[in-house]
Amino acid sequence: RKEVEQDPGPFNVPEGATVAFNCTYSNSASQSFFWYRQDCRKEPKLLMSVYSSGNEDGRFTAQLNRASQYISLLIRDSKLSDSATYLCVVIVPNAGKSTFGDGTTLTVKP
Amino acid sequence: GAGVSQTPSNKVTEKGKYVELRCDPISGHTALYWYRQSLGQGPEFLIYFQGTGAADDSGLPNDRFFAVRPEGSVSTLKIQRTERGDSAVYLCASSLVPVTGGGDTQYFGPGTRLTVL
Repeated sequence: RKEVEQDPGPFNVPEGATVAFNCTYSNSASQSFFWYRQDCRKEPKLLMSVYSSGNEDGRFTAQLNRASQYISLLIRDSKLSDSATYLCVVIVPNAGKSTFGDGTTLTVKP
Repeated sequence: GAGVSQTPSNKVTEKGKYVELRCDPISGHTALYWYRQSLGQGPEFLIYFQGTGAADDSGLPNDRFFAVRPEGSVSTLKIQRTERGDSAVYLCASSLVPVTGGGDTQYFGPGTRLTVL
């Protein structure tokens, strides 16, 4: 079993739709969580950190459920430009190592 | 300001050859990370430097892989006796301080696409 698991998708949604992705992690000691966005043949870029209390950035909402060991990303009012692969990242305290999921691919269609 | 840069952007080599991949982190970033990404997968951690020293090299797949950061800035990933299975995109990232609990943002370079024929 992988340390960080994501549904690979693809998720194909129309513009304006709301879409949610989940990511589960196996190491209960994990403390830091992030969502990255990766466009085709480009490097990953930080989308948002995930805080225990949940956090929102415009149309994007990230949540953490420690009891069930998963994080989620909600995208509201999807735009064509949201089409990308979304990677979740988990970090164990005092470790430089980041563990990435394999990503969930989103395609937003007109 | 300048981001993380990596050279070359593409490298094609033959099985058994030696290759070096270079990473220039963002100026002032003390932490530097190497990852490998295969098609359809997320980045896989290889090694992390804090300053000049390798703080965690647990991700290096075998002793054909080695990385250095002699002056605490530029890093070179070295692969000996390359194999076809080494073909992947090699990503470098840097952060101002290590991404320990509390976190700091890792900024990725564009990667080096390595193809071993």
